[in-house]
Amino acid sequence: SAVISQKPSRDICQRGTSLTIQCQVDSQVTMMFWYRQQPGQSLTLIATANQGSEATYESGFVIDKFPISRPNLTFSTLTVSNMSPEDSSIYLCSVEDLVVQGTASTYEQYFGPGTRLTVT
Amino acid sequence: SQKIEQNSEALNIQEGKTATLTCNYTNYSPAYLQWYRQDPGRGPVFLLLIRENEKEKRKERLKVTFDTTLKQSLFHITASQPADSATYLCALMNRDDKIIFGKGTRLHILP
Repeated sequence: SAVISQKPSRDICQRGTSLTIQCQVDSQVTMMFWYRQQPGQSLTLIATANQGSEATYESGFVIDKFPISRPNLTFSTLTVSNMSPEDSSIYLCSVEDLVVQGTASTYEQYFGPGTRLTVT
Repeated sequence: SQKIEQNSEALNIQEGKTATLTCNYTNYSPAYLQWYRQDPGRGPVFLLLIRENEKEKRKERLKVTFDTTLKQSLFHITASQPADSATYLCALMNRDDKIIFGKGTRLHILP
């Protein structure tokens, strides 16, 4: 299984500023994702970080607000831009690993520890 | 509309008993369904995956069932222990390869 680390683990930021979150994986992975988990809510996919091309954003999320970089197969960053208190959330990096069991294969997903962001 | 619902926000179970958590979905056709455990301040940890053509999957004290007719998965922890206290998330992999998560159920095992 992949081991994922994130930096910072938490931060308190002022509105209008930007924060870049880093995600490092201990092995090369094809698929990397960024999720948001607001208090009491389910995990919501922000975007898929694509290596060598622009990220693929889900409905309701745009590149200007959440620019993502993926320079290689083990690293990605998510920036939360021009923050407001509504951006206070936990941001999680995730990777997908193909698991082969006999003749069947499935994808298992692994998550980083998350970055707890508070915007004041 | 598409929905994933997990039973009650919190569940209290006496130590040693079996905890059963429910995940219901509507207007999805999942290829498979996953269960995760999430502890406070941590990311989710993968526990079990069950495919649409499987009725039941076991791993140690954990058991998952998947009923595509009822559109429901049940997650059981037998001989529950206080260390099993956590939030458990259900997630399904839809046919468009997107994984959708439920809100989770907080489980408290009472000593």
